[in-house]
Amino acid sequence: GDSVTQMEGPVTLSEEAFLTINCTYTATGYPSLFWYVQYPGEGLQLLLKATKADDKGSNKGFEATYRKETTSFHLEKGSVQVSDSAVYFCALSSGYSTLTFGKGTMLLVSP
Amino acid sequence: DAGVIQSPRHEVTEMGQEVTLRCKPISGHNSLFWYRQTMMRGLELLIYFNNNVPIDDSGMPEDRFSAKMPNASFSTLKIQPSEPRDSAVYFCASRLEDLGNTIYFGEGSWLTVV
Repeated sequence: GDSVTQMEGPVTLSEEAFLTINCTYTATGYPSLFWYVQYPGEGLQLLLKATKADDKGSNKGFEATYRKETTSFHLEKGSVQVSDSAVYFCALSSGYSTLTFGKGTMLLVSP
Repeated sequence: DAGVIQSPRHEVTEMGQEVTLRCKPISGHNSLFWYRQTMMRGLELLIYFNNNVPIDDSGMPEDRFSAKMPNASFSTLKIQPSEPRDSAVYFCASRLEDLGNTIYFGEGSWLTVV
């Protein structure tokens, strides 16, 4: 079945540092890939998505590229802020199925 | 546009009581999902409706849990009787089935059973 593997957290960074959160997946066919973000005490918000190989999703300075050859969708940001502290979830959806989530990676950014 | 609306946002109840969580999906969306989030298990899909019909309820933990979607703009998740291990955040989400497959989440209902 479908599965998503994310790096375990927490990831602790200083403000303005470079961020990478790794995500790899296993799926049949050609899934759509997503990153969701959950701020403390809130629900999940879609951060970015990509629907086919080599697509790059981007939003709020975050980027992720759909790499079919490595079955990966790593999240990156060039300069993190304290306000980026949250839990980040990688997810996939095959066809019209439901979302399969990774376990989430907590990011803590200090001033 | 209003997003997915859930109520109550927070509920504390005693073991054995009935709990009803409510959800209003985004207008026009035809798929609705109930997820549960705990520290131990992360995000778990409980049940998935399409056009008001339950498609996959394999994630519903046991008979104490039931979900209904009487129309396109309303769904409930009921726990009867509730137990302390049901304490979690319950998220409702909705989607308009298109090529993007984007699922939009509500703010969650934070349930504590004591």
